[in-house]
Amino acid sequence: NAGVTQTPKFQVLKTGQSMTLQCAQDMNHNSMYWYRQDPGMGLRLIYYSASEGTTDKGEVPNGYNVSRLNKREFSLRLESAAPSQTSVYFCASSETLDEEETQYFGPGTRLLVL
Amino acid sequence: DAKTTQPTSMDCAEGRAANLPCNHSTISGNEYVYWYRQIHSQGPQYIIHGLKNNETNEMASLIITEDRKSSTLILPHATLRDTAVYYCIVRVLAFSGNQFYFGTGTSLTVIP
Repeated sequence: NAGVTQTPKFQVLKTGQSMTLQCAQDMNHNSMYWYRQDPGMGLRLIYYSASEGTTDKGEVPNGYNVSRLNKREFSLRLESAAPSQTSVYFCASSETLDEEETQYFGPGTRLLVL
Repeated sequence: DAKTTQPTSMDCAEGRAANLPCNHSTISGNEYVYWYRQIHSQGPQYIIHGLKNNETNEMASLIITEDRKSSTLILPHATLRDTAVYYCIVRVLAFSGNQFYFGTGTSLTVIP
């Protein structure tokens, strides 16, 4: 049981390049999330998926797209990377029991855009 | 639009209780308060959550005021491994899915 896994761990891009960050969970959770964390800041929600086949925008969706490939996998795509997207990206998944929900986070992907 | 306010940093002596405050004055009646912590740059780790009543688990206690406008996370016997950034979070319920709003957190340093 690996929990939430993310690939790659590190990535350097040039401005204008594209890439996809991968996330997978093996806990059979319905909901999955993508956050970004800038230096000295808390996490900000980019996109989330409440269930397979649905996605919704969070606080900071501009410049990103997402795909909920199946129940296990939720990917984040940068079509044309910009230096402002330099950040640490965290994926999370959650289970909801009654109205209570706990999110479990992956180890993060550190992205540098030059 | 910050939903929580926390002190930027705190120190605590090893073995003593660490009390971390959080203000969430605009919280709605059905919104839960969650606490997570982040050690170094790892993924955040769940600690505890609550709605109205005080809660306790093996890691910590959560005290929520009667008006629900503020809460306090208590680590009863802080150790050096508790040095981390602690986030107080309001979970907003939405039809399309719930959203967790992280603030900037409190950096707790446990001093030997």
